[in-house]
Amino acid sequence: AQSVTQLDSQVPVFEEAPVELRCNYSSSVSVYLFWYVQYPNQGLQLLLKYLSGSTLVKGINGFEAEFNKSQTSFHLRKPSVHISDTAEYFCAVTPSDGTDKLIFGTGTRLQVFP
Amino acid sequence: EAGVAQSPRYKIIEKRQSVAFWCNPISGHATLYWYQQILGQGPKLLIQFQNNGVVDDSQLPKDRFSAERLKGVDSTLKIQPAKLEDSAVYLCASSLDALMGVRETQYFGPGTRLLVL
Repeated sequence: AQSVTQLDSQVPVFEEAPVELRCNYSSSVSVYLFWYVQYPNQGLQLLLKYLSGSTLVKGINGFEAEFNKSQTSFHLRKPSVHISDTAEYFCAVTPSDGTDKLIFGTGTRLQVFP
Repeated sequence: EAGVAQSPRYKIIEKRQSVAFWCNPISGHATLYWYQQILGQGPKLLIQFQNNGVVDDSQLPKDRFSAERLKGVDSTLKIQPAKLEDSAVYLCASSLDALMGVRETQYFGPGTRLLVL
């Protein structure tokens, strides 16, 4: 079975500051990794995903994430945030054994202040 | 390209009543998912369809929840009778074809927010 841990339920940050949202996972098999963003009253939108290859993945809106297999982590980073980045961010995994099931973490609320 | 459509956006019912949610996936998408997102938690998969067949319904509470995708396009999720703990956002998502072996992106609708009193 797989599980995802997002230790930070809320992350406050000032505009133009860097941010890192942490994600750790547990799995007995290899996994694919995803970050989704949910703006208020909207559905989830894919930010980026890691399937294979380079462990540094670049996504939309200037976000990037690094897959670290030894630490079972997939932290999300942005060098300079904007007010518009205020949203809920979800890390998710799916096992690479052929199933398609997304298993989500509990989410991190990013609040950007002016 | 139109996104995933869901209706209604909000619903308030009393416990023991029944309720139904509707989802229209992106045109041409073979795979459709229903998720339940309880406040403060991540989405949890309830059921996954491939065209009009069920791929995974292991986490669907079948004593009260049912879902169908009769023509392989639109889908309906029903709860009967509803309980207080069913209060959540119900998200519908679709992907091109999950069985192609490539991790297709799931596109999510805006969700239906259900409150059971």
